[in-house]
Amino acid sequence: AQSVSQHNHHVILSEAASLELGCNYSYGGTVNLFWYVQYPGQHLQLLLKYFSGDPLVKGIKGFEAEFIKSKFSFNLRKPSVQWSDTAEYFCAVNVLYSSASKIIFGSGTRLSIRP
Amino acid sequence: DTEVTQTPKHLVMGMTNKKSLKCEQHMGHRAMYWYKQKAKKPPELMFVYSYEKLSINESVPSRFSPECPNSSLLNLHLHALQPEDSALYLCASSQDSDHHYGYTFGSGTRLTVV
Repeated sequence: AQSVSQHNHHVILSEAASLELGCNYSYGGTVNLFWYVQYPGQHLQLLLKYFSGDPLVKGIKGFEAEFIKSKFSFNLRKPSVQWSDTAEYFCAVNVLYSSASKIIFGSGTRLSIRP
Repeated sequence: DTEVTQTPKHLVMGMTNKKSLKCEQHMGHRAMYWYKQKAKKPPELMFVYSYEKLSINESVPSRFSPECPNSSLLNLHLHALQPEDSALYLCASSQDSDHHYGYTFGSGTRLTVV
């Protein structure tokens, strides 16, 4: 069955530290990959997405992610985090399911930034 | 308009009540979704509507009944819910359900069943 794994459940960093959140997926076909962010009390927002082409994808707010097909990974990175990056981060993959497709989410990584 | 609007934002209902959650988008998206999110958990897919037809039902109990009256509206009818159904219910839309460009999520309805 298709799945998305985020191994870091809670990451704590100081401001200006570099960030890398891991994401691995289990799916043999063509994938579309996403990172979503959910700030405290707010709805899910799309950070970035990968469909094809350049495996290094740049998103909003200085985030980027790299698709490594051989490792089934799509890790999220940011060179220097800010306190405002405190949020829950979800990796997601689009999979085909009979006549339609759906996005399934990883379990999420809670990011806490110390001021 | 680039938003998905959900009403109400909060709902408290008894186990014998009947209530409905509403979702609306005016982006011309032809796929709409209901997700359920428990605290500190990822969203779990419930239903997918594609061109106003139900295309995916993730084995959701019949006490949840979706309805898509037109391409802009999506309802979730609730009846005889259990306390464990308390959660944040998220609506989302996308251009279509075959090739995702990512979803646009609403802010959700926080449901409490007492």
